[in-house]
Amino acid sequence: DSGVTQTPKHLITATGQRVTLRCSPRSGDLSVYWYQQSLDQGLQFLIQYYNGEERAKGNILERFSAQQFPDLHSELNLSSLELGDSALYFCASSVGGQGTEAFFGQGTRLTVV
Amino acid sequence: QQQVKQSPQSLIVQKGGISIINCAYENTAFDYFPWYQQFPGKGPALLIAIRPDVSEKKEGRFTISFNKSAKQFSLHIMDSQPGDSATYFCAASSTGAGSYQLTFGKGTKLSVIP
Repeated sequence: DSGVTQTPKHLITATGQRVTLRCSPRSGDLSVYWYQQSLDQGLQFLIQYYNGEERAKGNILERFSAQQFPDLHSELNLSSLELGDSALYFCASSVGGQGTEAFFGQGTRLTVV
Repeated sequence: QQQVKQSPQSLIVQKGGISIINCAYENTAFDYFPWYQQFPGKGPALLIAIRPDVSEKKEGRFTISFNKSAKQFSLHIMDSQPGDSATYFCAASSTGAGSYQLTFGKGTKLSVIP
């Protein structure tokens, strides 16, 4: 157990809908990263937050947004969902903001039908 | 484009043998190179990591070899066991550049047969 908690584990939703994925980082970790894993693209970095502020942005679609709250948990919001958004979404956390020693949660499997 | 190229895509090794997975990178600003292990239905788990100031790092049966001039690094799993069967990802990041995202290789599916 990495100590990073993601909910829900599975999510099935229809095209056009909006969903929210939640991540609780390890105790003491200030940084949260979101990654998308798909069969064709592999693990792709979406966005990083450090102590409540956005630190880095990767290949994140405009339909996706995230935030980190004062208690350091983070949410990833996916809207206007398309079939191609079906993937595993992982959250990772680390103590510092430099991406080292990043520990991943078990992921949320999103299926868009 | 920041890329990390990983090979082979899949690997079958006999129990007790040595598993070797290779990665190559292009971005000379990368200065942190971790390896992750992922079992089906689980998230990637940090296995071992290296910085470019050392050429080798060993933790138990797992060793990272790093060749800075060739921009290559590899994972060696000694005495491979069936429980090592998983997908392995190499990754790289630049910790001093302001964007600390991990860039992952495509993964290697390792099967260790008895």
